[in-house]
Amino acid sequence: GAVVSQHPSRVICKSGTSVKIECRSLDFQATTMFWYRQFPKQSLMLMATSNEGSKATYEQGVEKDKFLINHASLTLSTLTVTSAHPEDSSFYICSARDRLAGISSYNEQFFGPGTRLTVL
Amino acid sequence: QKEVEQNSGPLSVPEGAIASLNCTYSDRVSQSFFWYRQYSGKSPELIMSIYSNGDKEDGRFTAQLNKASQYVSLLIRDSQPSDSATYLCAVKNRGNQFYFGTGTSLTVIP
Repeated sequence: GAVVSQHPSRVICKSGTSVKIECRSLDFQATTMFWYRQFPKQSLMLMATSNEGSKATYEQGVEKDKFLINHASLTLSTLTVTSAHPEDSSFYICSARDRLAGISSYNEQFFGPGTRLTVL
Repeated sequence: QKEVEQNSGPLSVPEGAIASLNCTYSDRVSQSFFWYRQYSGKSPELIMSIYSNGDKEDGRFTAQLNKASQYVSLLIRDSQPSDSATYLCAVKNRGNQFYFGTGTSLTVIP
């Protein structure tokens, strides 16, 4: 159980185009999903927290108009990189928390396999 | 100030030895702590979670937490070449957001 998928796994696009990445919880409902970015040899950087049915909360320094997040259902969150540029090339990883995990602090997050974005 | 700090390494240990990974965090009220392993090009996978002061053992892995010192560590006993990876320390804050350290690269030498 607790499987999170991402699509696509790899995308190459031209500078100036927009790219949409999907994150799905396959066997559980996720009220909260997280989006991370990871540059080579660096750690995961939290970009935003996505809550179902409400606006995403962005971390400081992350442009909300460039990285559009939609969490329209309990099993799907999307990240759209608008007008992508080469500096946006990175490994984008989502994670999800199970809605039924409750308020206990004893719950983790489940990671998707990641999406490798290359902007030419 | 970084929320979660790790020694980036690289750390090299011979096969069969104990590998010791360390992590400190800045948010004193953090309650949940995690160690993830990440292979190159892959997403992190959970190794251990710890919530209470003291030690928690799971197979060859032991997590240690000291909330007073804001310190969490991971010991890997009988290290194997397959343990070679980057180990990420993560801390969950009151907003249920996870913050990761920069990771420690571990190489186990056969």
